[in-house]
Amino acid sequence: GAVVSQHPSWVICKSGTSVKIECRSLDFQATTMFWYRQFPKQSLMLMATSNEGSKATYEQGVEKDKFLINHASLTLSTLTVTSAHPEDSSFYICSASVGWYGYTFGSGTRLTVV
Amino acid sequence: QQQVKQSPQSLIVQKGGISIINCAYENTAFDYFPWYQQFPGKGPALLIAIRPDVSEKKEGRFTISFNKSAKQFSLHIMDSQPGDSATYFCAATPGNEKLTFGTGTRLTIIP
Repeated sequence: GAVVSQHPSWVICKSGTSVKIECRSLDFQATTMFWYRQFPKQSLMLMATSNEGSKATYEQGVEKDKFLINHASLTLSTLTVTSAHPEDSSFYICSASVGWYGYTFGSGTRLTVV
Repeated sequence: QQQVKQSPQSLIVQKGGISIINCAYENTAFDYFPWYQQFPGKGPALLIAIRPDVSEKKEGRFTISFNKSAKQFSLHIMDSQPGDSATYFCAATPGNEKLTFGTGTRLTIIP
């Protein structure tokens, strides 16, 4: 089946630094990728949708200058959290659209900003 | 109109029992209704999904019941096992677009 590989699985960074999270589609071409954020005991909150070769579409309230999304190829999408602060600590999850009515999720990245 | 309401928030079921989680939606454009299972520290995994042209879909111990007129759908887990203890999310989408997730149900199966 379609697999999305997400790395790193966890990262700790200092406040003010930037962190990059990668999602790779291993056996299919991901035309559309979705990035979610999930706080403890809460649901997934969509941050942005990216289409290969296009600028990402951000959900209302999500700072596009802080959460940089790049989807330069059909197999790789990245999320960069710039100038991270403790309130950015969360679980970040990517998802790819697979065919029609198919979505596959990465394993998630636990970001802790200290 | 984009919301998907999910209940209960948490559920405790005895081993071997039936776990039932309910979701309701407003947007009549939704036409794909998946259920996801998520373990702590992991991404969601598709459990089962349904389109509105059928009222029920069964895969192993998991069944989705769909009521189009009431705009409700539910997940039934038969013969619930401790390994089923996880958080379950319903979702919906109007075609191949972004998913709208329910708020989640934390299921605990006790011996």
